[in-house]
Amino acid sequence: DIVMTQSHKFMSTSVGDRVSITCKASQDVSTAVAWYQQKPGQSPKLLIYWASTRHTGVPDRFTGSGSGTDYTLTISSVQAEDLALYYCQQHYSTPLTFGAGTKLELK
Amino acid sequence: EVQLQQSGPELVKPGASVKISCKASGYSFTGYFMNWVKQSHGKSLEWIGRINPYNGDTFYNQKFKGKATLTVDKSSSTAHMELLSLTSEDSAVYYCGSGGNSWFAYWGQGTLVTVSA
Repeated sequence: DIVMTQSHKFMSTSVGDRVSITCKASQDVSTAVAWYQQKPGQSPKLLIYWASTRHTGVPDRFTGSGSGTDYTLTISSVQAEDLALYYCQQHYSTPLTFGAGTKLELK
Repeated sequence: EVQLQQSGPELVKPGASVKISCKASGYSFTGYFMNWVKQSHGKSLEWIGRINPYNGDTFYNQKFKGKATLTVDKSSSTAHMELLSLTSEDSAVYYCGSGGNSWFAYWGQGTLVTVSA
């Protein structure tokens, strides 16, 4: 199984900051990476797929990048509503696997 | 509007089985795989498996083979997941997810399954 490692369990930020959340795959996943946002008590919401394709309706402050084994979700100017858990997922091969999550918090 | 409406919370005894449902509307039900995902309390997401609503073909995560059984009812655009021989390790929120090619554009609201005597 492909292991997706999000090395930061928590990240502290301020409103207006630029923040980057990273995810490393245990093998090359050829940009087959999705990113989700989850708020307490809610289902995950798709932000990005194929590493950099923004899902319909996702604000353009969210950008995905990466290749090979290393991927990044960048929020260009954090808003209060962006404080949440973020998960990466590889959709390269089954079983589909997720990272452990990175919680974005206020400093 | 796309909706995946899941059935309500379940309290079940150890050793029992439970069947949860996910009713789809607002998109082509047979056009995308229906996936199921487990989220244990405070933990990450685990992919259980998927079913092709068009022909009923299933593919399971090896970890969940024998634990989960996926079915669909095309006539009502509803997917079902039966969880067997439940233990405390199966207590979790279970989500259905669809709408992408192995990513999930649409999610149900989640069904909490609690296994307790």
